[in-house]
Amino acid sequence: QVQLVESGGGVVQPGRSLRLSCAASGFTFSSYGMHWVRQAPGKGLEWVAVIWYDGSNKYYADSVKGRFTISRDNSKNTLYLQMNSLRAEDTAVYYCARDREGAILIWGQGTLVTVSS
Amino acid sequence: DIQMTQSPSSLSASVGDRVTITCQASQDISNYLNWYQQKPGKAPKLLIYDASNLETGVPSRFSGSGSGTDFTFTISSLQPEDIATYYCQQYDNLPIFTFGPGTKVDIK
Repeated sequence: QVQLVESGGGVVQPGRSLRLSCAASGFTFSSYGMHWVRQAPGKGLEWVAVIWYDGSNKYYADSVKGRFTISRDNSKNTLYLQMNSLRAEDTAVYYCARDREGAILIWGQGTLVTVSS
Repeated sequence: DIQMTQSPSSLSASVGDRVTITCQASQDISNYLNWYQQKPGKAPKLLIYDASNLETGVPSRFSGSGSGTDFTFTISSLQPEDIATYYCQQYDNLPIFTFGPGTKVDIK
């Protein structure tokens, strides 16, 4: 079945880095744009970044631009989010998600990132 | 940037009640508007796409309408399993997505 499984979350100190991964299965990963969406504890959904199906284009929310990098390895069916210079306000559950023409039908289960000293 | 607002931020209703949530965009987004349901501890679920189209497998008590800047999401007869937070999401300025702040629905 179609599945997205995130990993790599954890507790990290402010200013440090973390890389999230998202393993895709059950569909042709290289045919779809992919997103990262986050949700701070008790808060709403915030779109973070998107990458084209072939990795040729990437876009970011202003809140993470210059600090986060989205990438993908289509040979490994894996999406990544490199997060640098982390701040307390980056604490959230991070979801990877598959694009469907302006909507998100397929979501992962999420991975929690906690930025704290 | 396009901003999204939702009202109310929360509501309590009885089982069987008709529930209506509104979503407003800061500029004309045509019908580029989706609605999601999120239950505690779970990922969101797409319910309505393109403002008024019911996603496959979603119960018909859910519906959406509107275009331009004003949109409505309706649950025709609230069920206990509908307890969740509902979010609108615009995609007029692809590939950027913007979510509304959410509306939490409880049973009275």
